[in-house]
Amino acid sequence: DIVMTQSPSSLAVSAGETVTINCKSSQSLLSSGNQKNYLAWYQQKPGQSPKLLIYLASTRESGVPDRFIGSGSGTDFTLTISSVQAEDLADYYCQQHYSYPPTFGAGTKLELK
Amino acid sequence: EVQLVETGGGLVQPGKSLKLTCATSGFTFSNAWMDWVRQSPEKQLEWVAQIKDKSNNYATYYAESVKGRFTISRDDSKSSVYLQMNSLKEEDTAIYYCTLGGPYWGQGVMVTVSS
Repeated sequence: DIVMTQSPSSLAVSAGETVTINCKSSQSLLSSGNQKNYLAWYQQKPGQSPKLLIYLASTRESGVPDRFIGSGSGTDFTLTISSVQAEDLADYYCQQHYSYPPTFGAGTKLELK
Repeated sequence: EVQLVETGGGLVQPGKSLKLTCATSGFTFSNAWMDWVRQSPEKQLEWVAQIKDKSNNYATYYAESVKGRFTISRDDSKSSVYLQMNSLKEEDTAIYYCTLGGPYWGQGVMVTVSS
């Protein structure tokens, strides 16, 4: 199975700051056939199901604010949230769907400083 | 609008069985590949099982942690997918989500395995 290592596990921020969450996979998620990285980012707020933010490493899901930016390729990926808003306080997970079984990172909790 | 609604959760003793149902609407269910994903009390997300559509012979796949104990199935006439869970263990305690993939997830149903 592909292991997804996410860091940090928690992050305390002030509104307006820019934050970076990292995700490293144990194998490359880059398809040689189409040059796409099969990596997604989810946001989860208390009592809610995960919400898709980013897919194919850098494509923002419809309706997701442009302050959420996904980047990276191969085995190293980053979710950047610029100018964090109070509504962004949540847990964030990366997920690979390059190969079965799909696997998730352990999550990053974004908290208010 | 895509809707996924899970039911059937609850408290069950170790070794017992439980069946989850995911009723869906808002998309062509018969063509869809459906998954179950669970989230432990420690908040770790884990993919559990997948069932493909008729054109893929309803192929099923399972996480190693549930293989041989859980069975995923579907009823295209009811636009529903099921998860039969047998020989439940305390470590199966989690919120179970039905998902179409991408942005489409149900609200989840809690399963607690405890004596």
